[in-house]
Amino acid sequence: DGGITQSPKYLFRKEGQNVTLSCEQNLNHDAMYWYRQDPGQGLRLIYYSQIVNDFQKGDIAEGYSVSREKKESFPLTVTSAQKNPTAFYLCASGALLRPNQPQHFGDGTRLSIL
Amino acid sequence: RKEVEQDPGPFNVPEGATVAFNCTYSNSASQSFFWYRQDCRKEPKLLMSVYSSGNEDGRFTAQLNRASQYISLLIRDSKLSDSATYLCVVNRVSGGYNKLIFGAGTRLAVHP
Repeated sequence: DGGITQSPKYLFRKEGQNVTLSCEQNLNHDAMYWYRQDPGQGLRLIYYSQIVNDFQKGDIAEGYSVSREKKESFPLTVTSAQKNPTAFYLCASGALLRPNQPQHFGDGTRLSIL
Repeated sequence: RKEVEQDPGPFNVPEGATVAFNCTYSNSASQSFFWYRQDCRKEPKLLMSVYSSGNEDGRFTAQLNRASQYISLLIRDSKLSDSATYLCVVNRVSGGYNKLIFGAGTRLAVHP
């Protein structure tokens, strides 16, 4: 079945540690996105990528980094510079420049601070 | 002011009730519109797209008024399984990519 796979489902970060969240899709989508969701708030865009080896900052990119070495994969690293990383992280993919096509989401990673 | 605003909720309704969700958006360049459903501690899932002519999918009806920049979702004959948070989402092309703007969501609780 086509879909988006995120791992792990739950992740704990120690102070000063970088952690990487995985996102893989087999929908053949060009565009991939990372969002953060905090309780009672809408999703906010962290980074997006439209093509391999290219990515752009979203609205809240500080303290995060990404790579897009393969079309199927868009990992997110939460660095130690992100001082408030506890949140629900969602990866999505979609067709490039097709605004009538919705984005599809993975089932998310919950990150907490130890 | 947020770009997409929804009723804060929560809505508590009995089974069988009709419930309406309202949403307004501020950017007239918004091109497409969606309702997503999000269950507790799960990812958002597309419920339905919203078209200018209005559209229906079973018990769900979505309406769009571009002049008023207003979107609605109506659920008829509510079921217990409809309990979830409903997210109003608008899409526009910004800086060469599809930018999704999410409302904060309205929580619905359907009780027996």
